[in-house]
Amino acid sequence: KQEVTQIPAALSVPEGENLVLNCSFTDSAIYNLQWFRQDPGKGLTSLLLIQSSQREQTSGRLNASLDKSSGRSTLYIAASQPGDSATYLCAVATSGTYKYIFGTGTRLKVLA
Amino acid sequence: GAVVSQHPSWVICKSGTSVKIECRSLDFQATTMFWYRQFPKQSLMLMATSNEGSKATYEQGVEKDKFLINHASLTLSTLTVTSAHPEDSSFYICSAPTGGTDTQYFGPGTRLTVL
Repeated sequence: KQEVTQIPAALSVPEGENLVLNCSFTDSAIYNLQWFRQDPGKGLTSLLLIQSSQREQTSGRLNASLDKSSGRSTLYIAASQPGDSATYLCAVATSGTYKYIFGTGTRLKVLA
Repeated sequence: GAVVSQHPSWVICKSGTSVKIECRSLDFQATTMFWYRQFPKQSLMLMATSNEGSKATYEQGVEKDKFLINHASLTLSTLTVTSAHPEDSSFYICSAPTGGTDTQYFGPGTRLTVL
């Protein structure tokens, strides 16, 4: 059974810092991995999607990497801003399906 | 880009009543949609897979008679929480993959509060 864990559970940093969020999964037979952002009481915003054959994806200040063999993904946020404050979720799609197993989330607070 | 909507965005109901939540794909057809549940300060848990024209498939531990799913058209799936109780209070989110791509779009969620 696939399990997805995110470390740290919460993170508070001053504005401008570069930071790394970690995601690990137990079954390497994944279809893809996606990082989401969730603001309090809101739905999900997709940030980056990495296919199982890819090593990384970039969008603006965000970079996500995937090491399928070791069951790890990282989300790198450069020059963090207060507007980046949110909960970040990683989710893995089981190979051959579109079902997503979500991680436990990292609550990020960027201080002005 | 593709959009998935949910209605209502929030609902408060009395214990014992039934509540219907709609999930619509606005500019694409979705033969499959997914329903997730998120309890406060927890992550999303997949409840069921909604299949157009056939029965939904439920994840282990989810009561199919309590959470009725109907995928009547290629753009609409509904989740009905029957005889709702306070422990059913949660944030319900649906998602739908676009055909031919790996992108999956999530709805904005429905917050259900059962008194």
